Amino acid sequence: EVQVLESGGGVVQPGGSLRLSCAASGFTFTNFGMSWVRQAPGKGLEWVSFISGSGASTYYADSVKGRFAISRDSSKNTVHLQLNSLRVEDTARYYCAKDWVLQGARPYYFDYWGQGTLVTVSS
Amino acid sequence: EIVLTQSPGTLSLSPGESATLSCRASQSVDSNYLVWYQQKSGQAPRLLIYGASTRATGIPDRFSGSGSGTDFTLTISRLEPEDFAVYYCQQSVDSPRTTFGQGTKVEIK
Repeated sequence: EVQVLESGGGVVQPGGSLRLSCAASGFTFTNFGMSWVRQAPGKGLEWVSFISGSGASTYYADSVKGRFAISRDSSKNTVHLQLNSLRVEDTARYYCAKDWVLQGARPYYFDYWGQGTLVTVSS
Repeated sequence: EIVLTQSPGTLSLSPGESATLSCRASQSVDSNYLVWYQQKSGQAPRLLIYGASTRATGIPDRFSGSGSGTDFTLTISRLEPEDFAVYYCQQSVDSPRTTFGQGTKVEIK
C-alpha cells in the first residue's frame, strides 16, 4: 500500500524559514518523481515544486523560485522542501504527491497524496 | 502559462441527478495530459480521471471524462451522497508549468 506522510508545518514569521518533510512507502521510491502542491485556505490547488526519482531534475513555480528548495534522501525514502524568506501569501496546506509517470523527468499528474501539513506565515 | 477555467463555480444538485462540469483551456491541451481530481472537505485530492477519459483505479463508472483540444468535461451520472465535493482539472502538457483549474463545487441542493 502506497503511503505518503508530510510533517514539519507550523507558524512562522514573515521572512522566516521552515523545512517540510515527506515520508513515502509502498513503491520503489527512486522510480518516481515527487511534487509539492499547496492550497491556501479556502482556495484552489497550486503546484509548487518537483524532484525526479533520481534527484537530477528539480523544478519550481515562479512564485517560489529562489526561495524554496526541494531535495530527496533515497536512503530514507524522504523528500524535503526547504522554505526560506517566507511571505504571508505562502500560508497554505502543503501536500506531497507521488507522480504517476515511471521515471518521469517533469511533473505530470499525481496518483497518491498525503494529508498535507499546514504552514502559517504571520507576524 | 496555460490557464484552465472551470465552470460553473458551484453546482447545486440532488442525489440521483447528473452533473456536468466543464474545464476550458486557454490553449490546446493534448488529452493525454488532462486529468481530474476530487477533493472532499478536509481531505487530500484524489485522482479520478487521467488521459481526459480513463478512470483511475477504483473509481466508479458513474464518473466519465471526455473532450479534446480546449474543452473537457467531467460527467457524474446518478450522484451519490459521497460525490458532493470539489472537482479540479489539471493540465501537464506545459510541464513543468503544470496548472490546475480553480475548481467546481458540487453541493447538495
